[in-house]
Amino acid sequence: TQTVSQSDAHVTVFEGDSVELRCNYSYGGSIYLSWYIQHHGRGLQFLLKYYSGNPVVQGVNGFEAEFSKSDSSFHLRKASVHWSDSAVYFCAVMSTNAYKVIFGKGTHLHVLP
Amino acid sequence: GGIITQTPKFLIGQEGQKLTLKCQQNFNHDTMYWYRQDSGKGLRLIYYSITENDLQKGDLSEGYDASREKKSSFSLTVTSAQKNEMAVFLCASSRDSTEVFFGKGTRLTVV
Repeated sequence: TQTVSQSDAHVTVFEGDSVELRCNYSYGGSIYLSWYIQHHGRGLQFLLKYYSGNPVVQGVNGFEAEFSKSDSSFHLRKASVHWSDSAVYFCAVMSTNAYKVIFGKGTHLHVLP
Repeated sequence: GGIITQTPKFLIGQEGQKLTLKCQQNFNHDTMYWYRQDSGKGLRLIYYSITENDLQKGDLSEGYDASREKKSSFSLTVTSAQKNEMAVFLCASSRDSTEVFFGKGTRLTVV
């Protein structure tokens, strides 16, 4: 069974700070990992994904994520956040031999001016 | 580009009522999904379909039916609405499931 855990329901930082949003997964096989963003009142939008190769993947708007097999993690980072980054961020996992995509509960990022 | 259209945007039903939510996509994607989004619980998979006429149960399928009669459409039926139920239902589609595209959602309120 695939599971995705986002340990922080809320993260609050100031504009210009760096931020890391945590994601841990549980699955024994080969998987795809991805992050999505949901601004208030809007649909989810894809940010980035990882399958293999360089464990650090770049996404849009300065976001990047790093895969760690030993930690079963795929944390999302940004070096300097902007107020417009305030949103809910979802981590997702999908096994490579199936089509089922499982999402975490989301982390609400609050960026203060 | 493409778009996923969910109808209606808002749905108010009565307890015990059977309610149907519709979803259309013009990406020509094979796989489509229905998720339920509740505050604090994230997205929970109800049903998904990997091709026309295929249906696969997700983790939250009890109390729901789904139908995929055409590649471009995927409908979800709440078989018996629960009183005070309030949630957003998100339809999504994907070519290969590594990148999923979402609709704007149908907000359900049961009175």
